[in-house]
Amino acid sequence: LAKTTQPISMDSYEGQEVNITCSHNNIATNDYITWYQQFPSQGPRFIIQGYKTKVTNEVASLFIPADRKSSTLSLPRVSLSDTAVYYCLVGDGRTGANNLFFGTGTRLTVIP
Amino acid sequence: ETGVTQSPTHLIKTRGQQVTLRCSSQSGHNTVSWYQQALGQGPQFIFQYYREEENGRGNFPPRFSGLQFPNYSSELNVNALELDDSALYLCASSLAIAGGVLDEQFFGPGTRLTVL
Repeated sequence: LAKTTQPISMDSYEGQEVNITCSHNNIATNDYITWYQQFPSQGPRFIIQGYKTKVTNEVASLFIPADRKSSTLSLPRVSLSDTAVYYCLVGDGRTGANNLFFGTGTRLTVIP
Repeated sequence: ETGVTQSPTHLIKTRGQQVTLRCSSQSGHNTVSWYQQALGQGPQFIFQYYREEENGRGNFPPRFSGLQFPNYSSELNVNALELDDSALYLCASSLAIAGGVLDEQFFGPGTRLTVL
């Protein structure tokens, strides 16, 4: 089971780009990398998923280097509503439970 | 499309009692996972059900058990409640697709359980 390491917390000013890096040194060949966002008293919400290189959607980008031992979630021009906890998960969807380790996440605080 | 719903939203029990939490999956989803989230911690995986069969289990004792029904709704049962069972219990549904892509999970709002 590939575990992940993230910074415990980050602060950013409104309008800035925020990059949150996740380390996953023992990622397996079949593992995907997924990021979730969680607001207080709510369930986590899927942000983005990738396997290698770069993935971009309407809310974020995910950068994955060639060795795949880390990944970086990039949030462009954050707003106050982006204040939340962000979780990086690594796992293989074929075997059901292997991808379900959330860790403690990164608490992002966006400052006005 | 109906999202994931959970009931009840809040629950208070005393030590030693039993509790049943319920989850309705998002329409079309065949997989449900349950998590326990203590205050200030990330969600901890309890178990997952795929087409009514347990498909993986985390590091939780046997007094945590579950069911998935033919309509893919699910129950989490906890026997002999302990004070440390106080937490937010999250249910997540997904559509398992063969081929290795990690399934996106859709989470419900959770049930807040307090054990006194």
